[in-house]
Amino acid sequence: AQKITQTQPGMFVQEKEAVTLDCTYDTSDPSYGLFWYKQPSSGEMIFLIYQGSYDQQNATEGRYSLNFQKARKSANLVISASQLGDSAMYFCAMREANLFKAAGNKLTFGGGTRVLVKP
Amino acid sequence: DTEVTQTPKHLVMGMTNKKSLKCEQHMGHRAMYWYKQKAKKPPELMFVYSYEKLSINESVPSRFSPECPNSSLLNLHLHALQPEDSALYLCASSQDGTSGTILKYEQYFGPGTRLTVT
Repeated sequence: AQKITQTQPGMFVQEKEAVTLDCTYDTSDPSYGLFWYKQPSSGEMIFLIYQGSYDQQNATEGRYSLNFQKARKSANLVISASQLGDSAMYFCAMREANLFKAAGNKLTFGGGTRVLVKP
Repeated sequence: DTEVTQTPKHLVMGMTNKKSLKCEQHMGHRAMYWYKQKAKKPPELMFVYSYEKLSINESVPSRFSPECPNSSLLNLHLHALQPEDSALYLCASSQDGTSGTILKYEQYFGPGTRLTVT
């Protein structure tokens, strides 16, 4: 079974509108972290936002917020007031604690969602 | 300084060539990573170094040979590659997370090397 699922391969959004990118995950580890990355066409992966499994509040970073629903195992990214520069590929990723194991450094990525912002 | 640098940016090589990709970071990170990314796909983990020791090898063919000469540098030596190895190769670094105590160790990625094997 896939550990990270992003069901939207591509989305169009109008400039200045908000967009929600879906991410569901699967883990039996009670301790894990969820990350969102942005990858423009230039190729560099840019870290956007983080949510820990024990965090009580949903994470926010500027125009990015994470809608974390632990019981549903979902961690959707909300981008408010979209800008043309937000056009990119967006990846959801998870890191499980794997205490004292090499896998503690492993980041598992979803398949990504391509966002195109229209003027 | 939160930058990871990679050289070269582009590389074209024949199937009999030997080349190396280089990665450098000065953030004091003790975990470094190599990823391979094909177009429209997520990055695939290849190797992880933790405190300059190879800790994860995701069953990568031996024509890819990683090296971590010191805590700031990571190399990927390429030999006898196949055309299907053409991809974007990304280097990343992070604080080491194998203690499992803290999860918010985001990985910082370099700009990548676009490799074409002819």
